[in-house]
Amino acid sequence: ETGVTQTPRHLVMGMTNKKSLKCEQHLGHNAMYWYKQSAKKPLELMFVYNFKEQTENNSVPSRFSPECPNSSHLFLHLHTLQPEDSALYLCASSQDPSGYEQYFGPGTRLTVT
Amino acid sequence: AQSVTQLDSQVPVFEEAPVELRCNYSSSVSVYLFWYVQYPNQGLQLLLKYLSGSTLVKGINGFEAEFNKSQTSFHLRKPSVHISDTAEYFCAVTHSPTGNQFYFGTGTSLTVIP
Repeated sequence: ETGVTQTPRHLVMGMTNKKSLKCEQHLGHNAMYWYKQSAKKPLELMFVYNFKEQTENNSVPSRFSPECPNSSHLFLHLHTLQPEDSALYLCASSQDPSGYEQYFGPGTRLTVT
Repeated sequence: AQSVTQLDSQVPVFEEAPVELRCNYSSSVSVYLFWYVQYPNQGLQLLLKYLSGSTLVKGINGFEAEFNKSQTSFHLRKPSVHISDTAEYFCAVTHSPTGNQFYFGTGTSLTVIP
């Protein structure tokens, strides 16, 4: 596999469920990102990890919990989500913390029922 | 604070016609500018970027963009579009020199009509 991969590609979950999104990058990058893409809105940066350490948390509700066990893997743990959390969740990585060129995965389409 | 404005949410254009997708940004400091493309059911792919140097930047798939500091614009152009260019296009800006935070526009949906 090359580039940035995300699993699952589609996820439907109830508001009381717990699920996790997975992202893996095969580019040897040191920084990884989670974005939320909602219709007709700009991409929203959620979290940034540099060298496995979280450096940004853009006021994201605690029902979203990121985890970065190593510089190649990034998870987003989900629990007690709301319908308005339905969106496309994109993972990205970049060579270094400057993030000048970010490489994106295909995204996970999340639907909260 | 920085922001990115993409003035056109939808742009229909006939095949082989030229196209310009507009992007304006607001920033009080130096910026790095990017255009990304998103094909249906895919993630974002970098088209081109401006970091420094020549203000005319050439990217993949025949696209180019011009950085205009006085007008704070970074419009994307292609002289002749193809059906396969149908996609969503996003303009993004980040700070120099510590650019972790990308600011994206709301996107422009380009539809190429046969």
